[in-house]
Amino acid sequence: DAGVIQSPRHEVTEMGQEVTLRCKPISGHNSLFWYRQTMMRGLELLIYFNNNVPIDDSGMPEDRFSAKMPNASFSTLKIQPSEPRDSAVYFCASTPSGGVDTQYFGPGTRLTVL
Amino acid sequence: AQTVTQSQPEMSVQEAETVTLSCTYDTSESDYYLFWYKQPPSRQMILVIRQEAYKQQNATENRFSVNFQKAAKSFSLKISDSQLGDAAMYFCAYNGGVMRFGAGTRLTVKP
Repeated sequence: DAGVIQSPRHEVTEMGQEVTLRCKPISGHNSLFWYRQTMMRGLELLIYFNNNVPIDDSGMPEDRFSAKMPNASFSTLKIQPSEPRDSAVYFCASTPSGGVDTQYFGPGTRLTVL
Repeated sequence: AQTVTQSQPEMSVQEAETVTLSCTYDTSESDYYLFWYKQPPSRQMILVIRQEAYKQQNATENRFSVNFQKAAKSFSLKISDSQLGDAAMYFCAYNGGVMRFGAGTRLTVKP
């Protein structure tokens, strides 16, 4: 079975540009999570969806960040405009049902904003 | 809010020896899950082992085992017969509805 798929794996952009990160969860998984990992703050939950509906977006740092899940097999995390402090590794994870069970992570997207 | 504490930023072990990584957590919930994830240099987050809080028996997965002390809110990971491939960052995580991660422990394995 394919795991969680993320694209791109690496993204380098300039400050002010729009960045879109993509995620395909494991087929049949109902919950999807977006995390950000930095040296200073570790792993932070940004937002999670259950059955394509955003449940908790309290971790989204500011209005420049937005996330969508138009269907069960696809989600995007958008940053507009991007800033150097957004540089981090962004992970997507999915779980079969609800939020309590094991989360399976994608390979991550390393974002560098110059 | 639930917190997860890993008090050892770095640990080192000789190949073939045993090492224990510590983790404590804070919660008022009675039903939750605990996990250890491994993150090698490839940065992929890999599940090592999981423990359901309602189970008293400690989870084991081959060379990996945990010591789960619910009353003490402690969840340590023991790696037996350490191998060079075990070198990585190890994250302890608590999930009672929202996953919370510790800051991680960097494990070095010396040949």
